[in-house]
Amino acid sequence: EDQVTQSPEALRLQEGESSSLNCSYTVSGLRGLFWYRQDPGKGPEFLFTLYSAGEEKEKERLKATLTKKESFLHITAPKPEDSATYLCAVRRTGYSTLTFGKGTMLLVSP
Amino acid sequence: NAGVTQTPKFQVLKTGQSMTLQCAQDMNHEYMSWYRQDPGMGLRLIHYSVGAGITDQGEVPNGYNVSRSTTEDFPLRLLSAAPSQTSVYFCASSYHGQGAGNYGYTFGSGTRLTVV
Repeated sequence: EDQVTQSPEALRLQEGESSSLNCSYTVSGLRGLFWYRQDPGKGPEFLFTLYSAGEEKEKERLKATLTKKESFLHITAPKPEDSATYLCAVRRTGYSTLTFGKGTMLLVSP
Repeated sequence: NAGVTQTPKFQVLKTGQSMTLQCAQDMNHEYMSWYRQDPGMGLRLIHYSVGAGITDQGEVPNGYNVSRSTTEDFPLRLLSAAPSQTSVYFCASSYHGQGAGNYGYTFGSGTRLTVV
């Protein structure tokens, strides 16, 4: 059974204070690891897909990295508009669906 | 380009009532799926489809039914609503194969359902 564990559950940062979110996973044959952002009352919004250990992807202040057991979402000099819940999900080879973690709720204060 | 459209946005049902949550996408995506999101539980897969005429069960399928007669539509039916089905329901769609990774899964804005 695929498992995705995200930590911490919640994180409060000051504006400009960089940090990282963690996503540990267990999957039999990784087809892709996905990061999503979810704002209150809205559906998840796609950020990145990582496919293999060592891969990195960046978007504005966000950088996602992948190892064989976990992924990190690094947030550099965050702004209040980065406040959201960040979701991690895995897709197993041969499957069309995603298994999600419970998310990390990020609050960035001015 | 509307993406994934879910209706209704809010619904209150009485225990035992039935209803259909609608999901439509205009991106010609092959894959479609339904998730429910509950506090502390994350997103859990209810049912999914890899193409018109093909559906399968996910992690929490009991009490729900789906069909997919067209590529665009993937309705979710609650057969006899129970308070345990109070949740936020999300529909998602994607391309098949490598496209699912390259472009991600597109989610609708959700249906907030309360069963009393």
